[in-house]
Amino acid sequence: RKEVEQDPGPFNVPEGATVAFNCTYSNSASQSFFWYRQDCRKEPKLLMSVYSSGNEDGRFTAQLNRASQYISLLIRDSKLSDSATYLCVVSGSSNTGKLIFGQGTTLQVKP
Amino acid sequence: EPEVTQTPSHQVTQMGQEVILRCVPISNHLYFYWYRQILGQKVEFLVSFYNNEISEKSEIFDDQFSVERPDGSNFTLKIRSTKLEDSAMYFCASNRDRADEQYFGPGTRLTVT
Repeated sequence: RKEVEQDPGPFNVPEGATVAFNCTYSNSASQSFFWYRQDCRKEPKLLMSVYSSGNEDGRFTAQLNRASQYISLLIRDSKLSDSATYLCVVSGSSNTGKLIFGQGTTLQVKP
Repeated sequence: EPEVTQTPSHQVTQMGQEVILRCVPISNHLYFYWYRQILGQKVEFLVSFYNNEISEKSEIFDDQFSVERPDGSNFTLKIRSTKLEDSAMYFCASNRDRADEQYFGPGTRLTVT
């Protein structure tokens, strides 16, 4: 089983659509969870951290289910500028700061 | 806003040559990392570094790789004898606390011919 697994997509959606991405992770000892965004050939940039209680930042909502080892990201009212690859990221279990990345899910928002 | 910087942006080298990739982390950060991303693949952890020593390294980080913080600002990754399969984008990252967001540099694209 992959350490962090995501549906690679691509997801092609019209502007204004709501889109959801899912992710599962294998290590139950992971303590920190993130969604990063990566534009083509650029560095990953933090979109949001993910907390057990769920959290929202504008049009973006992240959820974590530790029992199922499942993380989700919901994007409402998609904009053209949301087109990117979304990376599900979890911390390693060794508490050294190591991050484990999923393959990424590609989103293409069309006018 | 403070940012992580990396040089060079693109490095082309011949197989068997040594390369040094340079990074300047954010100044008040204490934890430093190298990751790599082969074209079309996921970002992979290479090494974490704290208090002037390696705290964790991956299986990829074999004897050909080394890291150093030669002064108070630079953090370098050296590959002693490059292989074709070392061709990738190499990202440096840093954070103040290991549980915090990691800030990534723009990357160095390494091409081994």
